Amino acid sequence: SQQGEEDPQALSIQEGENATMNCSYKTSINNLQWYRQNSGRGLVHLILIRSNEREKHSGRLRVTLDTSKKSSSLLITASRAADTASYFCATEDYGNNRLAFGKGNQVVVIP
Amino acid sequence: KAGVTQTPRYLIKTRGQQVTLSCSPISGHRSVSWYQQTPGQGLQFLFEYFSETQRNKGNFPGRFSGRQFSNSRSEMNVSTLELGDSALYLCASSLVRGVDTEAFFGQGTRLTVV
Repeated sequence: SQQGEEDPQALSIQEGENATMNCSYKTSINNLQWYRQNSGRGLVHLILIRSNEREKHSGRLRVTLDTSKKSSSLLITASRAADTASYFCATEDYGNNRLAFGKGNQVVVIP
Repeated sequence: KAGVTQTPRYLIKTRGQQVTLSCSPISGHRSVSWYQQTPGQGLQFLFEYFSETQRNKGNFPGRFSGRQFSNSRSEMNVSTLELGDSALYLCASSLVRGVDTEAFFGQGTRLTVV
């Protein structure tokens, strides 16, 4: 079953604006990861946040994790046309060797 | 270093046939996982191998199987193909799994069953 559930499903923004996506999950986790996928190709790892971390930054990306609410958000600042892609959150559970992916957010950045 | 390589990139098969997909992980990576991606079900975990042993398996029928070789290369096999098996099959490699490591994905094999 799908662990993560992103919200919103699709987002269309102007270049330069910020894009925010949310993800919720159901069980205890080791970590939560965000991936990007362009046009049905392979996934690219963006950022990993551990269960004992609350916020993490990587370049224009900012991820937050609230384990009490079992939710995470991904913020892309100053978006670019090249950020157009689908974004997936994935959780890694304690004792498992698998990533459980959400359904993904499609982000379109209009130049 | 070279990324994860999946072959072939595209496949068209007929119902009832079987298919074998291949994945070469990043050099030094010992964990290989397989995922199925469809528009309806999203990304679903198939199985994970580490040092030639299957450590975890998703909720797929026995028609889906896999193996890993001593050089960490992995294959997955789907027998008696059904139309619903049409999907993008993604392979991911990691140094290890379960210890907060990122997964590196290949470009996938697009399987179409007709």
